[in-house]
Amino acid sequence: AQSVTQLDSHVSVSEGTPVLLRCNYSSSYSPSLFWYVQHPNKGLQLLLKYTSAATLVKGINGFEAEFKKSETSFHLTKPSAHMSDAAEYFCVVPNNNDMRFGAGTRLTVKP
Amino acid sequence: KAGVTQTPRYLIKTRGQQVTLSCSPISGHRSVSWYQQTPGQGLQFLFEYFSETQRNKGNFPGRFSGRQFSNSRSEMNVSTLELGDSALYLCASSLVGSGRPSTDTQYFGPGTRLTVL
Repeated sequence: AQSVTQLDSHVSVSEGTPVLLRCNYSSSYSPSLFWYVQHPNKGLQLLLKYTSAATLVKGINGFEAEFKKSETSFHLTKPSAHMSDAAEYFCVVPNNNDMRFGAGTRLTVKP
Repeated sequence: KAGVTQTPRYLIKTRGQQVTLSCSPISGHRSVSWYQQTPGQGLQFLFEYFSETQRNKGNFPGRFSGRQFSNSRSEMNVSTLELGDSALYLCASSLVGSGRPSTDTQYFGPGTRLTVL
């Protein structure tokens, strides 16, 4: 079965500084991987997805993620945090018949 | 294209009652999946419907059921509500849904916040 582990439940950064949200996956093959963001009282919005076309994936709002097979990682980064980035982020992997979500990382952005 | 819509957005029920939630997928999407989100358990898969058939089911009791109509709209029903059913219920639609490996992207609605008193 495929699964993902988000290594940090909470990350706090200052506005204008880089963001790093970590995700490791477990899979017997190169999976598809997704990052979603959820703002308070909202549904999930797709940030980006990896489908083996390119290891560096660019998403919306300046986010990107790099697929590293040797490290089984798919970390999400952004060069400069904005106040509007404060939200919960989920790393997701398809697993046979459903999608498996990480536990989520809450990003706080300080002014 | 319009996104995934869910109705109602908020619902308050009492224990023992039943509830029906509705989801309208993105036009052209045939797969609809339902998830339950709670602070303690996170996001958990309930079931997936494709072409009016339940294709996959998560590990939830039989009180949770659903259906899909010919226009791909879906409803989920929870009978005999318990306090622990209080959650955000999210619906997601995609073109073709599950499969291994799947690159099909799920698009989520805003959710229905169910509170059971």
